[in-house]
Amino acid sequence: QVQLQESGPGLVKPSETLSLTCTVSGGSISTYYWSWIRQPPGKGLEWIGYIYSSGNTHYSPSLKSRVTISVDTSKNQFSLRLNSVTSEDTAVYYCARDQRSTSCYDFWGQGILVTVSS
Amino acid sequence: EIVLTQSPGTLSLSPGERATLSCRASQSVSSNSLAWYQQKPGQAPRLLIYGASTRATGIPDRFSGSGSGTDFTLTISRLEPEDLAVFYCQQYGSSPYTFGQGTKLDIK
Repeated sequence: QVQLQESGPGLVKPSETLSLTCTVSGGSISTYYWSWIRQPPGKGLEWIGYIYSSGNTHYSPSLKSRVTISVDTSKNQFSLRLNSVTSEDTAVYYCARDQRSTSCYDFWGQGILVTVSS
Repeated sequence: EIVLTQSPGTLSLSPGERATLSCRASQSVSSNSLAWYQQKPGQAPRLLIYGASTRATGIPDRFSGSGSGTDFTLTISRLEPEDLAVFYCQQYGSSPYTFGQGTKLDIK
């Protein structure tokens, strides 16, 4: 059974960079797409972007100028960086696996709350 | 960007009843690339349905999806108390992939 686990700081200051890592266990990161999705407190879900195990990426246009997703296949991890954060970026951040041949998500991490505040 | 509008916002039903949740897209969803998720309080979403009508692995047949084009439906027959959750639709036919705002299902 594939498992995903997000890790990183739970508090980031405004204008700084949010950095999260997702560790995949129980399966290889290779030959799959992997995504980041976020959910502001009490609100709905927002797709951030995805990366293929080869390193190809695709981002949401609304965040594209501030987002970088990278992968480290040797560690079975992929990462999210979001720069110039504001309070609008406060959310639970989820990592997820794209189901093969689709861009819906069959395995999710438990989520990590990141608060942007000074 | 495809906007997904879910209705109703909240649904309150009793165990054993049938729930019908709607998801309407602002434009046609390519190849019926429409998924449904269940999110219980404090948990990550769980994939229920993909391709508009295919149940994901391990999902009981009480959950069914239907629809095409711009109108999609999730039906939950024989509601159980543990079905209390927020349900989201998602289109993945065209980028950016988008989610509906959710339907909250209360079990009386």
